[in-house]
Amino acid sequence: EAQVTQNPRYLITVTGKKLTVTCSQNMNHEYMSWYRQDPGLGLRQIYYSMNVEVTDKGDVPEGYKVSRKEKRNFPLILESPSPNQTSLYFCASSSVDTQYFGPGTRLTVL
Amino acid sequence: GNSVTQMEGPVTLSEEAFLTINCTYTATGYPSLFWYVQYPGEGLQLLLKATKADDKGSNKGFEATYRKETTSFHLEKGSVQVSDSAVYFCALRGSARQLTFGSGTQLTVLP
Repeated sequence: EAQVTQNPRYLITVTGKKLTVTCSQNMNHEYMSWYRQDPGLGLRQIYYSMNVEVTDKGDVPEGYKVSRKEKRNFPLILESPSPNQTSLYFCASSSVDTQYFGPGTRLTVL
Repeated sequence: GNSVTQMEGPVTLSEEAFLTINCTYTATGYPSLFWYVQYPGEGLQLLLKATKADDKGSNKGFEATYRKETTSFHLEKGSVQVSDSAVYFCALRGSARQLTFGSGTQLTVLP
């Protein structure tokens, strides 16, 4: 089954404690991206990757890092989380014309 | 830059009512247009899409027509069901693969 998986699904952490949200896809897509979803703002892109070792900033990259060492994985890293990064995060993987979204990770930073 | 504006919710309808969710966009060139649906506790799923002017996307009784002259892509369904209750997002994709989303419209259908 074609899918995008994310872990963890829920995470509560404290300010400044580094965390990583993993994302994996089994569709051999080159393009992957991360979004955050906030009430009234829709989804905003954080980072995207056109292929292995190729990443670029989206609309709201501050406070986040990513890496793309393998085609299937695209982890999101928060080196020093802050409360304003409390949000719902989605990873997505894209074919030529369709994006497939993971189930989401709800992050709370206290 | 690109932008998408969709009608604010929440929208509450009775079962079998007609649904319209308005969506307009600003973009350079010829974007592709999408509607995504998010059911409670789940990620976004592609509902329908249109890639050029006058194309009509349709799926599960939902339809939307790409209107370049009015830069619109309104979502419609003739008879909604309780199971259609969800958040609906209009989105566009320009020359890159980046999607630009509207703010989402919460739809609640009452039995």
